Amino acid sequence: GENVEQHPSTLSVQEGDSAVIKCTYSDSASNYFPWYKQELGKGPQLIIDIRSNVGEKKDQRIAVTLNKTAKHFSLHITETQPEDSAVYFCAATYGNQFYFGTGTSLTVIP
Amino acid sequence: DADVTQTPRNRITKTGKRIMLECSQTKGHDRMYWYRQDPGLGLRLIYYSFDVKDINKGEISDGYSVSRQAQAKFSLSLESAIPNQTALYFCATRAEGETQYFGPGTRLLVL
Repeated sequence: GENVEQHPSTLSVQEGDSAVIKCTYSDSASNYFPWYKQELGKGPQLIIDIRSNVGEKKDQRIAVTLNKTAKHFSLHITETQPEDSAVYFCAATYGNQFYFGTGTSLTVIP
Repeated sequence: DADVTQTPRNRITKTGKRIMLECSQTKGHDRMYWYRQDPGLGLRLIYYSFDVKDINKGEISDGYSVSRQAQAKFSLSLESAIPNQTALYFCATRAEGETQYFGPGTRLLVL
């Protein structure tokens, strides 16, 4: 099956700075890569996703990039705000299953 | 109302007891999933179902069973709970080709 690695496991940034979270995957057949945000006491919620036929996607302060050759994808958050503090998970879809990274706990310091 | 609901939200049980976690969805999705979340391990798939007559084991199905009572309902059972099944459990739903939508989670403590 697919193996997804996510780094870093914790990340602290000053408000207004950028945050980058990176994931690698093992199976070149994976074709869909969502990112989820999990706030305390809640289930993960999709914040952005990218399919394998696209190299980059942006939604306001959030962007995702995909390098299929290197099998890695990254989440970029610009102009971070305290409400961005949460745990972020990447995932890769192989077949009908989603394989998740181990999560990144992001803290935005006011 | 929430699209994906889970009951109970919190549960404390004793070793050896049988418990059931329930998931309901109003999104009309055919695919439903059960995951467990442990600190530092992310989300791991327990079982998934593509319709009422379809049940598939995930990465960590040992010690668990599921029932898809209807398109909108998917239950997870622990036949004889053990302490290392203490975790946060999430149900998720999905339509073909789309992303997953998660419920709010059930926090389970097995003493």
